[in-house]
Amino acid sequence: EAGVTQSPTHLIKTRGQQATLRCSPISGHTSVYWYQQALGLGLQFLLWYDEGEERNRGNFPPRFSGRQFPNYSSELNVNALELEDSALYLCASRLTIANTGELFFGEGSRLTVL
Amino acid sequence: EDQVTQSPEALRLQEGESSSLNCSYTVSGLRGLFWYRQDPGKGPEFLFTLYSAGEEKEKERLKATLTKKESFLHITAPKPEDSATYLCAVQDTGRRALTFGSGTRLQVQP
Repeated sequence: EAGVTQSPTHLIKTRGQQATLRCSPISGHTSVYWYQQALGLGLQFLLWYDEGEERNRGNFPPRFSGRQFPNYSSELNVNALELEDSALYLCASRLTIANTGELFFGEGSRLTVL
Repeated sequence: EDQVTQSPEALRLQEGESSSLNCSYTVSGLRGLFWYRQDPGKGPEFLFTLYSAGEEKEKERLKATLTKKESFLHITAPKPEDSATYLCAVQDTGRRALTFGSGTRLQVQP
């Protein structure tokens, strides 16, 4: 069974540009979570999508946004990129009906802002 | 606000030298505590979920335990392939997302 897949693996942008990251959850999982992991820091919660709607967001500015598609895949958009947005962006999925239990993570997308 | 503190930040062991990693947490109501392993440049890999004080889970050389304020990840006779960053996370009864600690970087030398 395929795990959580993310693309692209690496992305290089310059300040002020926009970045789009994509995630496909494990088959049957309907909840998608996004986390940011900056170098040397822990995972910081960004966004949670469930059944196509944004359910919760962490302490990040509005330029971090996203959406979830009818097939439960998700997209994270970061507008007006800043140098400090350079990080590993991790997507995770979970079965909605549980709403608890472990998250299963993808391998991440490494965003570098120059 | 949920808080998770892991110690030590880094740990170097000789192969076969057992030790424990600590995860202290503060939540209004614990729904679950999770341990993950993360290799450099990769996503976290799920290890264990613990739900209530007194619970224990084991997997190969790893054993996780839980009290009302902290969790321990015991590593028995570690091997070099156990080298990784170990992350602890909690889920509050009022939240769906997990709150993560900063991790313990474990290095096991042959």
